[in-house]
Amino acid sequence: DTGVSQDPRHKITKRGQNVTFRCDPISEHNRLYWYRQTLGQGPEFLTYFQNEAQLEKSRLLSDRFSAERPKGSFSTLEIQRTEQGDSAMYLCASSPGQGDTEAFFGQGTRLTVV
Amino acid sequence: RKEVEQDPGPFNVPEGATVAFNCTYSNSASQSFFWYRQDCRKEPKLLMSVYSSGNEDGRFTAQLNRASQYISLLIRDSKLSDSATYLCVVNWGTGGFKTIFGAGTRLFVKA
Repeated sequence: DTGVSQDPRHKITKRGQNVTFRCDPISEHNRLYWYRQTLGQGPEFLTYFQNEAQLEKSRLLSDRFSAERPKGSFSTLEIQRTEQGDSAMYLCASSPGQGDTEAFFGQGTRLTVV
Repeated sequence: RKEVEQDPGPFNVPEGATVAFNCTYSNSASQSFFWYRQDCRKEPKLLMSVYSSGNEDGRFTAQLNRASQYISLLIRDSKLSDSATYLCVVNWGTGGFKTIFGAGTRLFVKA
């Protein structure tokens, strides 16, 4: 499978716990994006990387959220001290990084905080 | 004001109808535009890019109006399989691209 891969697909966690999600983009895609989507809403931009550099973070990304892309390949999104409001689908997307090209999405990680 | 705004709908139309969606964006420096389709509990997928000259792909026509900062999607001869959420997407940035999605417009096509 050469598409964007996210792991895990589902995560249920207790409030206050830390969670980490992984995204493997399409090989050789330089740009990687993280989005959060709640029911009835479009994907909300969280952050994006150009290779290993994190170029922008949304104000939605509180101090409890951190994302990394250490080698410019896979990325991780960590949420510390989860809250019920963090329950959402977390989507990762990648694009080639040259010109105006489409972003390809993974199937997402659905987080439920109980 | 949201960076990308869409009418959330839902639009309920019969098969064979023509339906149009509009989307407005706030950043005049926006550089590229897309329509994505998202089925229930699935990830978004590209439907079509939107070019300044307008473009058509079968029953789908997309148009861009930079002066008024809006883009549109026209679906002709609607099919049941067109039922989905349609997301307006705008890219902007220097040295990198920030891809911003609208909240989506829900379409239900009924027999």
